[in-house]
Amino acid sequence: KNQVEQSPQSLIILEGKNCTLQCNYTVSPFSNLRWYKQDTGRGPVSLTIMTFSENTKSNGRYTATLDADTKQSSLHITASQLSDSASYICVVGSNFGNEKLTFGTGTRLTIIP
Amino acid sequence: GAVVSQHPSWVICKSGTSVKIECRSLDFQATTMFWYRQFPKQSLMLMATSNEGSKATYEQGVEKDKFLINHASLTLSTLTVTSAHPEDSSFYICSARDVRGTVHEQYFGPGTRLTVT
Repeated sequence: KNQVEQSPQSLIILEGKNCTLQCNYTVSPFSNLRWYKQDTGRGPVSLTIMTFSENTKSNGRYTATLDADTKQSSLHITASQLSDSASYICVVGSNFGNEKLTFGTGTRLTIIP
Repeated sequence: GAVVSQHPSWVICKSGTSVKIECRSLDFQATTMFWYRQFPKQSLMLMATSNEGSKATYEQGVEKDKFLINHASLTLSTLTVTSAHPEDSSFYICSARDVRGTVHEQYFGPGTRLTVT
């Protein structure tokens, strides 16, 4: 069964600090890995997408890494801001005919001033 | 990035009535759209895949007669919750697949909060 697990479930950090969120997956066949940010009561917004051959991708203060051998990914947030408070969802795409996405349960990040 | 809109953003209806939610891709054509529901503190659960010009594909456990999906154009898909009950109260999110790039991005709408009283 395809699964995506994220840790920690929730995280509270001070404004300005860095943090790293983790994602482990067992999805086959693997196509791509995505990180989304979801504000409360809103739809997810894409941060990064990485294919099998990519092991790092940045989007501003967000940097995602991918280790396809160990099936792990991380999302590093640098110099956190209050607006970073949201849920961060790791999603893995599988190419099996029509692409299917497997969603992680997310990490709830809270930035405090 | 591309924009996907949903309407309405929230709706309250009485038990037994039907509610229609619209999902539009504003600046690209989408032959495939997806409908998800999300309960509090849980992740998105795929309900169905909506294909333009053909019948939707429903995930296991999703009643196709209760959640009617119509994808009549390349920019519009609708989800109708028929005979809604309080247990249908949830956050419904659509996404549209953009096939213009190497990796097919899915752009999500802002969601529709449905409350059935």
